[in-house]
Amino acid sequence: NAGVTQTPKFQVLKTGQSMTLQCAQDMNHEYMSWYRQDPGMGLRLIHYSVGAGITDQGEVPNGYNVSRSTTEDFPLRLLSAAPSQTSVYFCASSYAGTGARPLFGPGTRLTVT
Amino acid sequence: SQQGEEDPQALSIQEGENATMNCSYKTSINNLQWYRQNSGRGLVHLILIRSNEREKHSGRLRVTLDTSKKSSSLLITASRAADTASYFCATDARNYGQNFVFGPGTRLSVLP
Repeated sequence: NAGVTQTPKFQVLKTGQSMTLQCAQDMNHEYMSWYRQDPGMGLRLIHYSVGAGITDQGEVPNGYNVSRSTTEDFPLRLLSAAPSQTSVYFCASSYAGTGARPLFGPGTRLTVT
Repeated sequence: SQQGEEDPQALSIQEGENATMNCSYKTSINNLQWYRQNSGRGLVHLILIRSNEREKHSGRLRVTLDTSKKSSSLLITASRAADTASYFCATDARNYGQNFVFGPGTRLSVLP
């Protein structure tokens, strides 16, 4: 299994540009989530999905869209990038059920100028 | 709002010493997890402890949970330079399904 993969690893955007961060997992996990990590801070939940066709907002959803058309993929879209979205973005996946242990991807480092 | 809060924010020790990091949280939990993050890398799961457990071990790691005090500790024994990393506790995010809320982390430096 490749685990959780994220692309790209690095990205620089200008303010107002849009882009999609890709996340894929090959473990047939029901749960997938997107987090952002700002310098010196823990991870904050952006959006999550409990299965194909179902998404929900996390703690900091503004400025981001997600969709889950397949079990494997969970892309995160930045609609109009802002400098406040400069961060490292992590995707995670897990099986459904209390106590499931999320597996994290390697992250995408995004800079918005 | 962050559920878990690690203490100290930063810790510097010599190789071979033990490192203890603490996590406090606000509301009742089902599970608490500890993660390690090497600089610029993704998170690696270390240990999950359930609310009905008091202590768990994994190699040189020992995690305790005191639900009455709403706190957990992570002990790394006989530390190595390779243990240098940030350590995060994560607790149930009750409003967000089975996701977790992360604290700001403890930055551990193990000096050779």
